[in-house]
Amino acid sequence: EVQLVESGGGLVQPGGSLRLSCAASGFTFNMYAMAWVRQAPGKGLEWVSDISGSGETTYFADSVRGRFSISRDNSRNTLYLQMNSLRAEDTAVYYCAKTKFQLLLDAFDFWGQGTMVTVSS
Amino acid sequence: AIQMTQSPVSLSASIGDRVTITCRASQGIRNDLSWYQQRPGKAPKLLISDASSLQSGAPSRFSGSGSGTDFTLTISSLQAEDFATYYCLQGYNHPRTFGQGTKVEIK
Repeated sequence: EVQLVESGGGLVQPGGSLRLSCAASGFTFNMYAMAWVRQAPGKGLEWVSDISGSGETTYFADSVRGRFSISRDNSRNTLYLQMNSLRAEDTAVYYCAKTKFQLLLDAFDFWGQGTMVTVSS
Repeated sequence: AIQMTQSPVSLSASIGDRVTITCRASQGIRNDLSWYQQRPGKAPKLLISDASSLQSGAPSRFSGSGSGTDFTLTISSLQAEDFATYYCLQGYNHPRTFGQGTKVEIK
């Protein structure tokens, strides 16, 4: 059974940093591209970033490029999102998601339960 | 970036109704489109990939169609558990973009 479990969310001050983790199980992690998607309170879904199975290729939304980085540890079956210079508008539930057929532009067939990030003083 | 525009933004329907949601891309995206259902407080769930392929485990009353710029998600007979918000997502290029969502409510 595929499981994705996010952790690392919380309350952080503007300008602060946070690292999210997504522990994956139930599939061959290193074969699948993975992504982070966020949802601000009461708003729609926003794609944030994704990473190839090898970790060599990454993409970012304009809204986070230069502030966020994505990485993965295939030996630990874990995906990460390092978030720096956080702003109030980064407040959201952050979901990690698995691609269906391994490719970067695939549909997301499994999602974690989400972790809440609140940026506020 | 490709803009994805869903319509309507919300709709009210009754159990047993046929419901159609539209997603329009600002440029052609072949059939690189997926649909998701999100119930309140829950993670999104994949319904349709590649515009028309029903995801394993998704009820057969859901269907998708379209290619190029215009896409449709149809629920053939609305059930109580289908009241949720639905999103389209383009997989043609980066940055990936979602539609703004369509909330399906009980009439």
